[in-house]
Amino acid sequence: NAGVTQTPKFRILKIGQSMTLQCAQDMNHNYMYWYRQDPGMGLKLIYYSVGAGITDKGEVPNGYNVSRSTTEDFPLRLELAAPSQTSVYFCASSRGPGTEAFFGQGTRLTVV
Amino acid sequence: AQSVAQPEDQVNVAEGNPLTVKCTYSVSGNPYLFWYVQYPNRGLQFLLKYITGDNLVKGSYGFEAEFNKSQTSFHLKKPSALVSDSALYFCAVRPPRNRDDKIIFGKGTRLHILP
Repeated sequence: NAGVTQTPKFRILKIGQSMTLQCAQDMNHNYMYWYRQDPGMGLKLIYYSVGAGITDKGEVPNGYNVSRSTTEDFPLRLELAAPSQTSVYFCASSRGPGTEAFFGQGTRLTVV
Repeated sequence: AQSVAQPEDQVNVAEGNPLTVKCTYSVSGNPYLFWYVQYPNRGLQFLLKYITGDNLVKGSYGFEAEFNKSQTSFHLKKPSALVSDSALYFCAVRPPRNRDDKIIFGKGTRLHILP
């Protein structure tokens, strides 16, 4: 049971570099989410998607982009990395309204 | 604005004692409410949820939560704490009639069970 898979687990980026955080789920969930977790701040929603081809901004979308070309995949793109993007990133998926979300193990990103 | 509050950053409980982790929400209507647990270097794991019906819901690992509409609260409880319950706990809410299904999380409460 793979569930939600995130890659990579760890990454160090230099300021101004770009990268894509990968997220894949094998549960045929329509809803997918990207959160960032900063110490003492809980989880902040970056972007979410209610189905393939549909994405929308969350609370903190600046500096990020997403796409949802398939039900399974929901990559998060950082175009110009900044130190403020140092965080732990979690991808999650759910079947829909009223259902619990399943989380990946996270990607720890450091921007130096 | 819709929000979730976890008023305690940390809760310390002696092993074997009952524990309560508090959560209040500010959402119009009848929201869906969730509790998740996070162990070190891991993603969040679902514990339990309230959708409708009985105000007391039971979940994984012996945890339960009580929905109180008048107090807009959804406190997490366990009758007898274990050291292995030490972790970070998050309350979350999905506002009703929200076609976009945004799930809003609290800041988290760190639970320390003292042996």
